Amino acid sequence: QQQVKQSPQSLIVQKGGIPIINCAYENTAFDYFPWYQQFPGKGPALLIAIRPDVSEKKEGRFTISFNKSAKQFSLHIMDSQPGDSATYFCAASIAGAGSYQLTFGKGTKLSVIP
Amino acid sequence: DAGITQSPRHKVTETGTPVTLRCHQTENHRYMYWYRQDPGHGLRLIHYSYGVKDTDKGEVSDGYSVSRSKTEDFLLTLESATSSQTSVYFCAIRPGSGQGNLEQYFGPGTRLTVT
Repeated sequence: QQQVKQSPQSLIVQKGGIPIINCAYENTAFDYFPWYQQFPGKGPALLIAIRPDVSEKKEGRFTISFNKSAKQFSLHIMDSQPGDSATYFCAASIAGAGSYQLTFGKGTKLSVIP
Repeated sequence: DAGITQSPRHKVTETGTPVTLRCHQTENHRYMYWYRQDPGHGLRLIHYSYGVKDTDKGEVSDGYSVSRSKTEDFLLTLESATSSQTSVYFCAIRPGSGQGNLEQYFGPGTRLTVT
């Protein structure tokens, strides 16, 4: 059972465009939603995260939009650059669970063309 | 890499041999995790630890065991490696305590190939 569904699998945008990556979750107990960025041969790096008490969070060119009623959240990258080309993963966690484990989406490979 | 080192970084082993991967942290964080990453599957939790000698299973724990005898080290062991365990293994730490800070930070990974 896949608890976090991520789309699209891959995405190609022109430099300056705004790629949008979407995630949907099933478990209403999830209450922490991070996004990770991963470059080839490297570990995932925490990019930005949101809790369900806010609908939007911005950090630099990265924005998370969160829709609690639809059980969906998305990552927007403003003014995308070739250096943003990477694989992006959404994830979800439950603050009250003993493990605080992350459940990941399957990833989106983003290519930003100059 | 949040003060996390993993060793070895690459390993090729034969089916049926035991393999131990090491994760080392320098900050004495309580929570440590082992994930595997496979194409089309994202990252999946294998085992985690919430203190010295305190460990529990994750989503894909079959065929793996872990040990944590010191705060700074979390070992992942494949007792008898199989080809299905060919993967990239990531260690992660969670610096926070309680429900306030859920951030996890990942190490550089170990690429394991079982032939």
